[in-house]
Amino acid sequence: KNEVEQSPQNLTAQEGEFITINCSYSVGISALHWLQQHPGGGIVSLFMLSSGKKKHGRLIATINIQEKHSSLHITASHPRDSAVYICAVLPPTSGTYKYIFGTGTRLKVLA
Amino acid sequence: DTGVSQNPRHKITKRGQNVTFRCDPISEHNRLYWYRQTLGQGPEFLTYFQNEAQLEKSRLLSDRFSAERPKGSFSTLEIQRTEQGDSAMYLCASGRRTGPTDTQYFGPGTRLTVL
Repeated sequence: KNEVEQSPQNLTAQEGEFITINCSYSVGISALHWLQQHPGGGIVSLFMLSSGKKKHGRLIATINIQEKHSSLHITASHPRDSAVYICAVLPPTSGTYKYIFGTGTRLKVLA
Repeated sequence: DTGVSQNPRHKITKRGQNVTFRCDPISEHNRLYWYRQTLGQGPEFLTYFQNEAQLEKSRLLSDRFSAERPKGSFSTLEIQRTEQGDSAMYLCASGRRTGPTDTQYFGPGTRLTVL
């Protein structure tokens, strides 16, 4: 079992729908990162969370440390949101800050 | 554009050849990471530098792989005697300390195809 699990693995939505992507992890963490990866391969950071909730435009990320769970929400989805969304966690080490990644959720938003 | 650049963006090579990738991190970041991502999977950690010192290497990094960061700025990742299993996206990230943790900024990646 992976230390970071995402669901769903694939998601197709119609433009305008509200989308939720889930991330569950089994390790202690110092922070959780939501990343967006477009077909060309480049990764863009969306949010870094250690508690609570963050909002940026149509994107909202929440984390529940006790339940070891985070969600990424996209409101009023648009075809340009089509990408792979990756959850990555940082264990609380004093040395290397190396991420543990989920396998990603592939989102396709249809016009 | 995160400010982290990688070259080349794509590399196609024949099995057995050597390849070298370059990563230019954000200039004020002292941490640099290499990750590898195979198709359909999340990235996996390969190695980490703080300034010019290579502080950790994953067991994924066989002896055919070597990484350097000679002046604590750009980094190179070399793969010798490439194998088809080396085909992947190689991602570089530079990091800065943010409170108790680390914020990493990813480059666009180098996609390697070994024929």
